[in-house]
Amino acid sequence: DAGVIQSPRHEVTEMGQEVTLRCKPISGHNSLFWYRQTMMRGLELLIYFNNNVPIDDSGMPEDRFSAKMPNASFSTLKIQPSEPRDSAVYFCASSSMSLSLNTGELFFGEGSRLTVL
Amino acid sequence: DAKTTQPPSMDCAEGRAANLPCNHSTISGNEYVYWYRQIHSQGPQYIIHGLKNNETNEMASLIITEDRKSSTLILPHATLRDTAVYYCIVRYYTGNQFYFGTGTSLTVIP
Repeated sequence: DAGVIQSPRHEVTEMGQEVTLRCKPISGHNSLFWYRQTMMRGLELLIYFNNNVPIDDSGMPEDRFSAKMPNASFSTLKIQPSEPRDSAVYFCASSSMSLSLNTGELFFGEGSRLTVL
Repeated sequence: DAKTTQPPSMDCAEGRAANLPCNHSTISGNEYVYWYRQIHSQGPQYIIHGLKNNETNEMASLIITEDRKSSTLILPHATLRDTAVYYCIVRYYTGNQFYFGTGTSLTVIP
């Protein structure tokens, strides 16, 4: 299995530009999570999907952030317009959640390091 | 989900056991204890989890106190590659959200 695949691995952009981060979860997983990590705030849960439906987006910082999961094998996190304070590593994770087989194991991608100048 | 408290940093000699504590005094009966670790610049990695019984796998052992208000992750023979930030998380068994605190930064010393 290829694991969770994120792209791009690194992105440098200028303030005001639109940024799109992409994630391909592990095949067969029905839950997908987006996290943001900074030195100041640590790992923050932004949003998670279950069966392609957003369940909790309370961690999304503001309206500039949006996330979609059009199908079971693809998700995007978009920032428009981007700001320097959005600079962080963004992680995507997936999991197979069921009441009977809930190991709770999240599989993380390698992250997308975003720098907004 | 119950809040957890971990020491910010610890050192351990290579080859010795590393014992990482976690307090979760407000844990409820349906909440599991999970441990993850994050090696520098990588995504967090699952280690182990448990409800009330002690658990062991190829990576570590998890000891949960009888009152479930605290737990200890044990790496039996720490290596330099175990240097990482270790996160203790508690969550409902049906809950999907994983909230990572600040964790414990473990440094294994040669």
